[in-house]
Amino acid sequence: DIQMTQSPSSLSASVGDRVTITCRASQSITSYLNWYQQKPGKAPKLLIYAASSLQSGVPSRFSGSGSGTDFALTISSLQPEDFATYYCQQSYSTPVYTFGQGTRVEIK
Amino acid sequence: EVQLVESGGGLVQPGRSLRLSCAASGFTFDDYAMHWVRQAPGKGLEWVSGINWNSGGIGYADSVKGRFTISRDNAKNSLYLQMNSLRAEDTALYYCVKDIPPNWNSRAFDIWGQGTMVSVSS
Repeated sequence: DIQMTQSPSSLSASVGDRVTITCRASQSITSYLNWYQQKPGKAPKLLIYAASSLQSGVPSRFSGSGSGTDFALTISSLQPEDFATYYCQQSYSTPVYTFGQGTRVEIK
Repeated sequence: EVQLVESGGGLVQPGRSLRLSCAASGFTFDDYAMHWVRQAPGKGLEWVSGINWNSGGIGYADSVKGRFTISRDNAKNSLYLQMNSLRAEDTALYYCVKDIPPNWNSRAFDIWGQGTMVSVSS
């Protein structure tokens, strides 16, 4: 099974900061990598699919990069509404999918 | 409006069974693969099971394989999860999830329900 490892597990940042979260797959998943945002008490929301494609309605300060085994989600200028938990997900080994353990972004 | 509404959760004793349902609306249900994803209290997301548009492709997480069965009824725009031999570690909020359009040339989950809570305890 493909394992997904995110880092860091949590981070503290200030409004306006540039934030990068990384995700590593245990084997190549080409570009089948997605990013989700989850706020407390809410269902997750798709931000990025296919490693770098921005989902409709998602602000352009969010971007995704990478291929193969190493990926990153970058928030170019952190906004108050971005404080949340972020998850990566591989969709290469269909029909079996795997999430990373999550990265909690907190206010410094 | 595209919507997924889960039902069927509740409190159940270990070893018993439960059947979750998901009613879909606002999109052509039989065009899309569908999934169940769960989240234990205070924990991360865990993909549980998925089914393609015509039930010809089905997958399960190792943690539920042999105990859970996913199914769909395209005529009723509904997705199901039959959960047998439930364990305490199956306690979680269960989300019904829709896959992105197949012509996007990838696979991801773009629509999520609000979830139904399953608690397994004696």
